[in-house]
Amino acid sequence: SSELTQDPAVSVALGQTVRITCQGDNLRSFYAAWYQQKPGQAPVLVVYGKNDRPSGIPHRFSGSSSGNTASLTITGAQGEDEADYYCHSRDSSGKHLIFGGGTKLTVL
Amino acid sequence: EVQLVQSGAEVKKPGESLRISCKGFGYSFSNNWIGWVRQKPGKSLEWMGIIYPHDSDTTYSPSFDGQVTITADKSTSTAYLQLNSLKASDSAIYYCARTMITLTTFSDLWGQGTLVSVSS
Repeated sequence: SSELTQDPAVSVALGQTVRITCQGDNLRSFYAAWYQQKPGQAPVLVVYGKNDRPSGIPHRFSGSSSGNTASLTITGAQGEDEADYYCHSRDSSGKHLIFGGGTKLTVL
Repeated sequence: EVQLVQSGAEVKKPGESLRISCKGFGYSFSNNWIGWVRQKPGKSLEWMGIIYPHDSDTTYSPSFDGQVTITADKSTSTAYLQLNSLKASDSAIYYCARTMITLTTFSDLWGQGTLVSVSS
């Protein structure tokens, strides 16, 4: 199997732009999805595919991919964006799904 | 309303078994994959496996294969996660999630989670 590696913690000043990354060899073949999880709540899908957002997700959330790295960008971070963020994709076999270790985003 | 509703919190003793349910509402349950995800306290999400209720096609994560059993009853729009010989280390929140398996894989609808506590 393969792994998805995320930075454990990232901080951003209110209103600024932050990029959260996810690295894995399998990302050269498969897109990542991104989830936001706030304390005591189930994860919420925020970005998937090349750069798609589910209905209701603010436009400040966007996704991109290059080589073995997928990125979630929040343009103009808000206080309510403070949460854990997880990337999600298939493993190198394509048969199984895996999650990254998660990134805790702090909005200062 | 489109939603997944899971069974309630459970308190179990080591060695006991448990089956968690996940019932779908408001969409074609049979024709959408349902995945199960474990989250231990303060830890990351762990993908356990997935089932296609229409034909019960199931795939397990290598980490959970042989440790859990995933089933589904399309007639009642319900998926199940069976945990046997529970250990304290099985204490976690378990989520079910509707999962799209295409070139892009994503889980767009999640249950509320089921808290499982295993303690003697």
